[in-house]
Amino acid sequence: DAGVIQSPRHEVTEMGQEVTLRCKPISGHDYLFWYRQTMMRGLELLIYFNNNVPIDDSGMPEDRFSAKMPNASFSTLKIQPSEPRDSAVYFCASTRGGAGVGYTFGSGTRLTVV
Amino acid sequence: GNSVTQMEGPVTLSEEAFLTINCTYTATGYPSLFWYVQYPGEGLQLLLKATKADDKGSNKGFEATYRKETTSFHLEKGSVQVSDSAVYFCALHAGNNRKLIWGLGTSLAVNP
Repeated sequence: DAGVIQSPRHEVTEMGQEVTLRCKPISGHDYLFWYRQTMMRGLELLIYFNNNVPIDDSGMPEDRFSAKMPNASFSTLKIQPSEPRDSAVYFCASTRGGAGVGYTFGSGTRLTVV
Repeated sequence: GNSVTQMEGPVTLSEEAFLTINCTYTATGYPSLFWYVQYPGEGLQLLLKATKADDKGSNKGFEATYRKETTSFHLEKGSVQVSDSAVYFCALHAGNNRKLIWGLGTSLAVNP
């Protein structure tokens, strides 16, 4: 299994531009999570999906952030317009239902907004 | 509500020293408990887990025992290596949703 695949690995963009981060979960996993990690705030859950349906988006910081999961093998996190304070590492993780099943994380996308 | 408390870092050890990273939790019911490790520049990886009281999770020389009486899941390793330098996260899962509750992470630096 190739694991959770995120792209791009690094993204540098100018303030005000649209940014799209991509994630391919592990086949057969029916939960997908988007996290943001910064030194100041640590690991924050932004949103998660179950069977492609958003279940909890209470962590999405503001309307500039949106996430979609059009099918079981693909999800996007979009920031429009981007701001310097959005600079962080964004992780996608997937898992399947059941107690005691851990998450598998992708390698992350390091976003820098200048 | 459910919560996880980890010892604050950074922790700095010499190679072959004994490691303990404390983790305590608050949860209703019977949570599953996890340790994740994040090496520099990488995503988090599941290190070990335990799903019921008195279970011991182990992997790569690391161990943690699920202690319900003390609501703890401390991570231990008998002899650390430089390659163990990373950030370690304790987490729990309880309830019907699949959200993990995370500790803040403990940074470990092992010097040769």
